[in-house]
Amino acid sequence: NAGVMQNPRHLVRRRGQEARLRCSPMKGHSHVYWYRQLPEEGLKFMVYLQKENIIDESGMPKERFSAEFPKEGPSILRIQQVVRGDSAAYFCASSPPGQGSYTFGSGTRLTVV
Amino acid sequence: AQKVTQAQTEISVVEKEDVTLDCVYETRDTTYYLFWYKQPPSGELVFLIRRNSFDEQNEISGRYSWNFQKSTSSFNFTITASQVVDSAVYFCALSEAGEYGNKLVFGAGTILRVKS
Repeated sequence: NAGVMQNPRHLVRRRGQEARLRCSPMKGHSHVYWYRQLPEEGLKFMVYLQKENIIDESGMPKERFSAEFPKEGPSILRIQQVVRGDSAAYFCASSPPGQGSYTFGSGTRLTVV
Repeated sequence: AQKVTQAQTEISVVEKEDVTLDCVYETRDTTYYLFWYKQPPSGELVFLIRRNSFDEQNEISGRYSWNFQKSTSSFNFTITASQVVDSAVYFCALSEAGEYGNKLVFGAGTILRVKS
């Protein structure tokens, strides 16, 4: 029973490029959460998704960031036209419905050069 | 609105000392969960404990213990006889069962350095 799989583990992008971060939740988990950890800071909530639905995107920057969790396949966090300030660790967590139980992936470390 | 405060930015101890990491939370909900996570230098998040708001019993797991006090909205974490391998960033977090589900709100974290 694999845990939450995030890929890639490390991603380097030049300013202006697009970054796509993938998260495959644990089997049986239908809820996905994305968090961002800026250097030397704690984790900040970005977005909460269920299959084909965005439930809460109150933590998402208004521009350049989007997320999806399609019926088939992993959840994708997409950052368009990356800037240096997007450099961070992005963590995905999944949970079964309503239990307050989360499993985190190992994170994707995005570096914008 | 939910809020988690970890007032200790960094703590340094010598091996075998006991150390307590403080966590104070704010929530208007009566049903919520509290968590502690460890983030070692390798960067992953390691789950340590989850406690629901109706269970105020203290918990002990090996060298780790947790003191949950609703009266002071605190959920403190103690490591007994600390070891170098305990060096990490420790995060306290809160989740509520609200309209938008159970997102986690994290504290800023406490860096623990255990010296040999």
